[in-house]
Amino acid sequence: DTEVTQTPKHLVMGMTNKKSLKCEQHMGHRAMYWYKQKAKKPPELMFVYSYEKLSINESVPSRFSPECPNSSLLNLHLHALQPEDSALYLCASSKVGTSAGYNEQFFGPGTRLTVL
Amino acid sequence: AQSVTQPDIHITVSEGASLELRCNYSYGATPYLFWYVQSPGQGLQLLLKYFSGDTLVQGIKGFEAEFKRSQSSFNLRKPSVHWSDAAEYFCAVGAQTGNQFYFGTGTSLTVIP
Repeated sequence: DTEVTQTPKHLVMGMTNKKSLKCEQHMGHRAMYWYKQKAKKPPELMFVYSYEKLSINESVPSRFSPECPNSSLLNLHLHALQPEDSALYLCASSKVGTSAGYNEQFFGPGTRLTVL
Repeated sequence: AQSVTQPDIHITVSEGASLELRCNYSYGATPYLFWYVQSPGQGLQLLLKYFSGDTLVQGIKGFEAEFKRSQSSFNLRKPSVHWSDAAEYFCAVGAQTGNQFYFGTGTSLTVIP
């Protein structure tokens, strides 16, 4: 299974709502990532988890709260978002290591988030 | 610092014509290089990757890329473009530590009949 799944596919929320995005992989990867992507732009890294521990936080506002409950799951909890947070949120996974071949990231289809 | 430049924001080619998408990188050591494709509203799909060895790498969907260290380039090519190749293409360089990726700004490909 070389698939990364993300739910939901689409999400519309108000600025006072609390919602969560979910990502799952069963490739045995121990690194998982959240990216934010605006239209016609490259993905911007938000968070990296390595062995279920947060290893990189790219100065993301606290209204985004990641969680890695186990090696297969990655969540992104959303609270009090702003309209400018509307974007495609991509999850990815990879092996952990510094040798060649460990850097290939597998991406999910993304969640299209709209904040009203 | 690592960086990736894709000089062409948008390219239009005719179906059946050849294609070359440019990618230049800045990296101190031997880079790990990738090309990804993204169809509208979709995630990123890996086309091909270069870690070491043969500088001409073959990928999926008939794509290939050539690593040229002297030019710090990793250009993507396809001999005959199909309408279904219309998409956004991203070049990326992987860090040797930290599992971090550095994406280029992307090239949008339009294919005309």
